Amino acid sequence: QKEVEQNSGPLSVPEGAIASLNCTYSDRGSQSFFWYRQYSGKSPELIMFIYSNGDKEDGRFTAQLNKASQYVSLLIRDSQPSDSATYLCAVRNAGGTSYGKLTFGQGTILTVHP
Amino acid sequence: GAVVSQHPSRVICKSGTSVKIECRSLDFQATTMFWYRQFPKQSLMLMATSNEGSKATYEQGVEKDKFLINHASLTLSTLTVTSAHPEDSSFYICSAGDRVVGYTFGSGTRLTVV
Repeated sequence: QKEVEQNSGPLSVPEGAIASLNCTYSDRGSQSFFWYRQYSGKSPELIMFIYSNGDKEDGRFTAQLNKASQYVSLLIRDSQPSDSATYLCAVRNAGGTSYGKLTFGQGTILTVHP
Repeated sequence: GAVVSQHPSRVICKSGTSVKIECRSLDFQATTMFWYRQFPKQSLMLMATSNEGSKATYEQGVEKDKFLINHASLTLSTLTVTSAHPEDSSFYICSAGDRVVGYTFGSGTRLTVV
């Protein structure tokens, strides 16, 4: 079982719709969760992070965390063609010799069509 | 915001030569630097974690004698790919970690070994 799993997609949504991206993780000790957006040939850009169970909203983006289910999601409202990218879920683990390292999922390709 | 400057952005080298990639944190002190490698259509794979003034901690399967990491100061970390071969061609990305700023990624280095 992979440590962080995402549906690789591609996920295609029409402009203006809500895009829903999902991520599950295996380590119950994981402390914080990050969503990054990566355009082709570029490095990841942080969208938002979440530590606590529940929802966290930032503009058109909402992250949802359910630690009991080991599940984190990202909702993108009013999707725009410029949102077309690969979305990476990353989980921060604690302890050991590599405190704070991020483990990434394989990414979900999102396409927003006009 | 926090900025990590990564150079070079692209490099082409001959098989058997060495290549050095630099990452500088411009406006904060990076106590920890993470080095990732990303092959086409794959996610980021952590190669190693380095703390300022200490030896790097390498992930399983990463050859420490081939990928030399130096983190001699709080603002500079380097990754040297020694005796590069075509299979080392990849996108290398650094990420500075700090408890205050979180994780800040460099812009990445596209390495092509011919």
